Amino acid sequence: GESVGLHLPTLSVQEGDNSIINCAYSNSASDYFIWYKQESGKGPQFIIDIRSNMDKRQGQRVTVLLNKTVKHLSLQIAATQPGDSAVYFCAETRSGGYNKLIFGAGTRLAVHP
Amino acid sequence: DSGVTQTPKHLITATGQRVTLRCSPRSGDLSVYWYQQSLDQGLQFLIQYYNGEERAKGNILERFSAQQFPDLHSELNLSSLELGDSALYFCASSVNGGGRSPLHFGNGTRLTVT
Repeated sequence: GESVGLHLPTLSVQEGDNSIINCAYSNSASDYFIWYKQESGKGPQFIIDIRSNMDKRQGQRVTVLLNKTVKHLSLQIAATQPGDSAVYFCAETRSGGYNKLIFGAGTRLAVHP
Repeated sequence: DSGVTQTPKHLITATGQRVTLRCSPRSGDLSVYWYQQSLDQGLQFLIQYYNGEERAKGNILERFSAQQFPDLHSELNLSSLELGDSALYFCASSVNGGGRSPLHFGNGTRLTVT
């Protein structure tokens, strides 16, 4: 597959550990946030979303935390597995922004056995 | 599988040429988006259509154009191609176009301009 973002920051974790991927967003008017996972050779895959009226949302093995005060978003992955290895992007938009998602630069997650 | 289909998967062409990329959205989705992904610039929003009408424009060059047809599929036309246009082009779709709904992406078209 093709590599995306060869110079992305990389988070290396051991299989079974918890992972935390951080993202600083830019627009204080943004009120909807999404995390995407992109594997080599594939398009971004929706993981979880959160609206600005929440500060935490949980999915299957994933949790998103939103801190609007400091414009920070994080994705926590529990019991990280080799299949979680990918590039992770946060994206933001605001209501009335016609769903024009603005993506962050991405973080590469490398899971080691 | 996101349900968004993009063709072709790979495209190799020469500078100055014109190409058309095609996208079929997920069943029931009315909005289509085009994004460009290059190694050094991440995912850049190009343009959005909703039910056949242009809704929003991003960093789309004048050499590029798009449209959404009555059956909701979309095409992205790239003309007078330059080496710097080499990138992955993604199409995404969503149920509505007004925000607060996730975009679902296809697997992209890799364009190589030689």
